[in-house]
Amino acid sequence: KQEVTQIPAALSVPEGENLVLNCSFTDSAIYNLQWFRQDPGKGLTSLLLIQSSQREQTSGRLNASLDKSSGRSTLYIAASQPGDSATYLCAVRPPSQGAQKLVFGQGTRLTINP
Amino acid sequence: DAEITQSPRHKITETGRQVTLACHQTWNHNNMFWYRQDLGHGLRLIHYSYGVQDTNKGEVSDGYSVSRSNTEDLPLTLESAASSQTSVYFCASSESPADTQYFGPGTRLTVL
Repeated sequence: KQEVTQIPAALSVPEGENLVLNCSFTDSAIYNLQWFRQDPGKGLTSLLLIQSSQREQTSGRLNASLDKSSGRSTLYIAASQPGDSATYLCAVRPPSQGAQKLVFGQGTRLTINP
Repeated sequence: DAEITQSPRHKITETGRQVTLACHQTWNHNNMFWYRQDLGHGLRLIHYSYGVQDTNKGEVSDGYSVSRSNTEDLPLTLESAASSQTSVYFCASSESPADTQYFGPGTRLTVL
């Protein structure tokens, strides 16, 4: 059974720092991996989607990498801003035919201090 | 713009009552999903559908049911609400396995 772990559960850094969020998964056979952002009381917003054949994806100040063989993904946030404060979730999609459901980690709650 | 909406956004009900949560998407996606989010458990899949008349159970489906009569809607029904079903419920949709899942804003359900 696929399990997804995100460490640390919470992270607090001063504004302007570059930071890395970690995601690990137990089964390297995945279809793709997504990073989401969730603001308090709100739904999930997709940030980056990495297909199993890709090594990384970039969007603005965000860069996500994927190493399937080691079961790891990282989300790099450059020049952090207070508006980046949110919970960040990673989720993997199993490769089985028709299995489009996602398996989520429990998230990292990020606080950027002005 | 296409979107996915949920209603109601907040609901308080009593144990034993039947409750239906609505999910409507205008993406014209075939694939729709219901998750619940709880502290300590993260997001867990309740039910999902790959198209009209298709429904499948997720990992926490006991006490829940769904039906898919058209592409746009996937209502989630709690047959007899229990306090353990107090949670935040999210609906999502996607076009294909290679595509991202788009989430609704969530419904906070309290069962007293």
